[in-house]
Formats: sequence, C-alpha cells, structure tokens
Amino acid sequence: DIVLTQSPDSLAVSLGERATINCKSSQSVLYSSNNKNYLAWYQQKPGQPPKLLIYWTSARGSGVPDRFSGSGSGTDFTLTISSLQAEDVAVYYCQQYYRPPFTFGPGTKVDIK
Amino acid sequence: EVQLVESGGGLVQPGGSLRLSCAASGFTFSSYAMSWVRQAPGKGLEWVSVICGDDGNTYYADSVRGRFTISRDNSKNTLYLQINSLRAEDTALYYCAKGRIASCYDGLDYWGQGTLVTVSS
Repeated sequence: DIVLTQSPDSLAVSLGERATINCKSSQSVLYSSNNKNYLAWYQQKPGQPPKLLIYWTSARGSGVPDRFSGSGSGTDFTLTISSLQAEDVAVYYCQQYYRPPFTFGPGTKVDIK
Repeated sequence: EVQLVESGGGLVQPGGSLRLSCAASGFTFSSYAMSWVRQAPGKGLEWVSVICGDDGNTYYADSVRGRFTISRDNSKNTLYLQINSLRAEDTALYYCAKGRIASCYDGLDYWGQGTLVTVSS
C-alpha cells in the first residue's frame, strides 16, 4: 500500500501569513503515460465533512479561493495557503488515488497564532 | 444541488452486521464513482472502499477486505456498504463521497454528513 506522511502535524500561523503543508508518498504517484500526479488535498473543519480543495496536485476544486495552491511531483507535494484567513482553521489531508487502496495522509492541523 | 444522505448506522455488538445506505440526488448517479470513507472519533480519515462508475470495479482497504461489500443500485440512486464481522476498531463515522468522474482514479468532490457506527457489547 502507498503510505502518505504529512508535516508538520500542526502549525499556527498569523492572519495574513503563509501556511505550508507537506505530503510525502512512499511511492511515486506520477503516472508517466499522462504526466499526472494522482494526489488531492481536502480541508475538514470541526464538525463538518471534508471538502475537496485540490485535485491532480494543483487543480482547485469548485469555489476554492485562489489563496489555496498545490504543487509537487512524484513523491513530494505541498499545499500552500498564501494568506491565512480565520475561516481556514481546519485539518488538511492529502490523498493519493494512484493505486488502491486510495490512502489518506494523517492530517495537519492549522490554527491561528 | 448534489446531496448525499447516509443512513443505517447504529450500535451493534462485535461480530454483528449492518448495511449502510447513501441516498444520492442532484446528479446522474450512475455516471460517477462512489466511495466510503470513515473517521474514528477524534482521528483522521481512513479510505474504506470505492465502486467505479465506468466499469463497476470495486476496491477495498486491507482492514475491511473480506468483511465489507460495496454496491450500488443505479435505479434507486443509492450506494450501499454491507459490513459484517464488526470489530471495535470499526467504530467510526462513515462518510459517503462522490467521485469527480466515473473513473475511480480521481478526487472526491462531494461528501455526506456521515452515519455513525458504534461497535460495543
């Protein structure tokens, strides 16, 4: 199975500052035939179901603000919140859909400093 | 508007069974992959199973393979998860989620509110 690790486990960022979350895969999730990385990011606020933020590493989901961006390739990926807002307090998960089982990372909690 | 409404959760004894349902509306159900994802209390997300919308293939997490069965009834716009031989570690909120496309190999763009399964004697 593909194992995803995330770092840090948690971080606190001042309002308006940048937040960066890393996701590392135990195997490459880059499919060479289409040059796509099969990785998504989700945001989960307390008491709510997850919300799709990013798919195909860098494509934003419907209605997702452009302060959220994804990057990376192969085994190393990053979710960046360019200017943290109060409503961004949440746990963020990466997920690979390259090979079943389509595993999630353990999550990174983002708070306001 | 896409809606996913899970039901069927409850308190069950170890070794017992349940069938979870997810009623879908607001989209052409048969044209999309559908998944189950669970979350134990205070823990992270655990992917459970998926049924593809294009070829009907199914896949399972190692922890549930052989005990859980995913299925769909496209005429009823409903996704199911039959869960047998329940263990304490299956206690979780079970989410139904819609795939972005028919293929299983993509993200999950809509999620239900979940149905709680509690396994305890």
